[in-house]
Amino acid sequence: EVQLLESGGGLVQPGESLRLSCAASGFTFSNYAMSWVRQAPGKGLEWVAVISGDGGSTYYADSVKGRFTISRDKAKETLYVHMNSLRVEDTAVYFCAKRGYCTGSSCSSFYGRSFDSWGQGTLVTFSS
Amino acid sequence: QSALTQPASVSGSPGQSITISCTGSRSDIGGYDFVSWYQQHPGKAPKVVIYDVTNRPSGVSDRFSGSKSGNTASLTISDLRAEDEADYYCSSYTTKTSLAGVFGTGTRVTVL
Repeated sequence: EVQLLESGGGLVQPGESLRLSCAASGFTFSNYAMSWVRQAPGKGLEWVAVISGDGGSTYYADSVKGRFTISRDKAKETLYVHMNSLRVEDTAVYFCAKRGYCTGSSCSSFYGRSFDSWGQGTLVTFSS
Repeated sequence: QSALTQPASVSGSPGQSITISCTGSRSDIGGYDFVSWYQQHPGKAPKVVIYDVTNRPSGVSDRFSGSKSGNTASLTISDLRAEDEADYYCSSYTTKTSLAGVFGTGTRVTVL
């Protein structure tokens, strides 16, 4: 059974940094593209960052480019996002998701395709 | 990144059919058959109900169906049930951004 477990969310102040983690199990981690998707309170879904299966390709939303870095550790089967220079507008639940409905090497890339497994999310919020 | 356009809300009575539209452009929906639909209940993670325009994942009710015409994709829910009440988001491949994916604005489905 595929499981994705996010951690690392919490209360931060503007300008601070935070690292979110997503522990994966139940599938061959390095074969699949992975993503971070966020959802601000009461708002819609937003792609934040995507990383290829081998970690060699990364893509970012314009809203986080230059501030966030997505990475993955094959040995630990864990996905990360390092978030720097956090802004109040980064307040959201952050989900990690696994590429799905694919076969072979196509699973390693994104191209706007579906993500079939999602974690429960971790909340990043700001203190006043 | 501009989101795909969906109606804010759609409602229907149990047993009826409803259709949710998702409008984009030739750079996304109109140019590629890479449209997905996600169902999200309050406080839960999204779940795929349709991928690649018309494909339904194993375990998803056949009451859910997808289609596309030009720059607009649609999700139809037949025989509407109380458990279908949720938020629905479309997503698509896009050439407008390097990230290559874009979500719709989301539609709240209410079962009357």
